[in-house]
Amino acid sequence: SQTIHQWPATLVQPVGSPLSLECTVEGTSNPNLYWYRQAAGRGLQLLFYSVGIGQISSEVPQNLSASRPQDRQFILSSKKLLLSDSGFYLCAWSRPRASYEQYFGPGTRLTVT
Amino acid sequence: GQNIDQPTEMTATEGAIVQINCTYQTSGFNGLFWYQQHAGEAPTFLSYNVLDGLEEKGRFSSFLSRSKGYSYLLLKELQMKDSASYLCAVREEDNAGNMLTFGGGTRLMVKP
Repeated sequence: SQTIHQWPATLVQPVGSPLSLECTVEGTSNPNLYWYRQAAGRGLQLLFYSVGIGQISSEVPQNLSASRPQDRQFILSSKKLLLSDSGFYLCAWSRPRASYEQYFGPGTRLTVT
Repeated sequence: GQNIDQPTEMTATEGAIVQINCTYQTSGFNGLFWYQQHAGEAPTFLSYNVLDGLEEKGRFSSFLSRSKGYSYLLLKELQMKDSASYLCAVREEDNAGNMLTFGGGTRLMVKP
């Protein structure tokens, strides 16, 4: 069976500090991978998606970046966090065809102070 | 682009039936998904509709009308544990990345 991991689960960072969130998927190969952000009480905003190693598409211009150094690893980064970066960050994966649902990781709660 | 609308909040009574509506406007359509999300947790997949009609899965059913850009999620025999947010998401055509656009979610509160 497939599993998806995210860490850390919670994070408190000061404004201007760097960020690195990691997501890994097990039990599947060549998945599509996604990063979403969810503000409190709001829907999901797609930040980045990837259809393969080194292939990253950005949906929202901002101070965040993503990388996919390995097939089942997806990393979300920032060089300098803003207060507005606070939120619930969710990683998701789907099979690499258009008819499949997305499966979400447990999420990282980020608070920028 | 896409525009997805669903009510922000709903309240229902334990044991009752509730219908959560979702309307969407999209330049192309290739499927509609419903997810359940408990507070502080990740969304979990509930249902998928790509053709018109009703899909039933236990206490949950989902309906789609592509001509009306409309879907609903029907929850029967409500239980307290059904208190959660319900997210409607749409996938556009020609979407190699299998990307979904999510609505803002409907927060459902089930009362005794």
